[in-house]
Amino acid sequence: ETGVTQSPTHLIKTRGQQVTLRCSSQSGHNTVSWYQQALGQGPQFIFQYYREEENGRGNFPPRFSGLQFPNYSSELNVNALELDDSALYLCASSFTGRTSEQYFGPGTRLTVT
Amino acid sequence: ELKVEQNPLFLSMQEGKNYTIYCNYSTTSDRLYWYRQDPGKSLESLFVLLSNGAVKQEGRLMASLDTKARLSTLHITAAVHDLSATYFCAVDPTTGTASKLTFGTGTRLQVTL
Repeated sequence: ETGVTQSPTHLIKTRGQQVTLRCSSQSGHNTVSWYQQALGQGPQFIFQYYREEENGRGNFPPRFSGLQFPNYSSELNVNALELDDSALYLCASSFTGRTSEQYFGPGTRLTVT
Repeated sequence: ELKVEQNPLFLSMQEGKNYTIYCNYSTTSDRLYWYRQDPGKSLESLFVLLSNGAVKQEGRLMASLDTKARLSTLHITAAVHDLSATYFCAVDPTTGTASKLTFGTGTRLQVTL
């Protein structure tokens, strides 16, 4: 069974640029959630994708957008990067269901300069 | 808005001692998760608590859930250095079929010799 994978592991971008982060879900999982974890804080829910549709969104502006593909992998896109976007971005996959547990990937460390 | 609070935020304890981390949350939920995070790493699932009165134990860690009090505890017995990490609780308040987690602030545990 393959776990959740994310790419790239590290990324450095300049303010105003755009970035795309990728996530492959664990085998058998059909739901992907994205979280942002700033240094020294707990992860914050960005959004979730199920059946290629956004299935809930946290308190993040529209410049954070996402996609889910038929193979359940997902992308997180951030436009017009700001310094505060520097964080660890975590992807979690799960199988939809009331007791479903989320399994987290290794994360992508984004630094905006 | 759901709020999840952990205390203490930082805990320094000697090897062999016992201690409890508390997780309070502000809205009704019967799904609570505990995660461990090592520096620079992703989240490792420790416990999934899905009903009032649930108690789970793994090694030196034991977690419990009281949904009426909106409180979960993570008890550490006879701490060892390897338990040094940051511990997060996360609450899923959704009534639908897919989890959207709200994390606590984290408790940074340092176990000293």
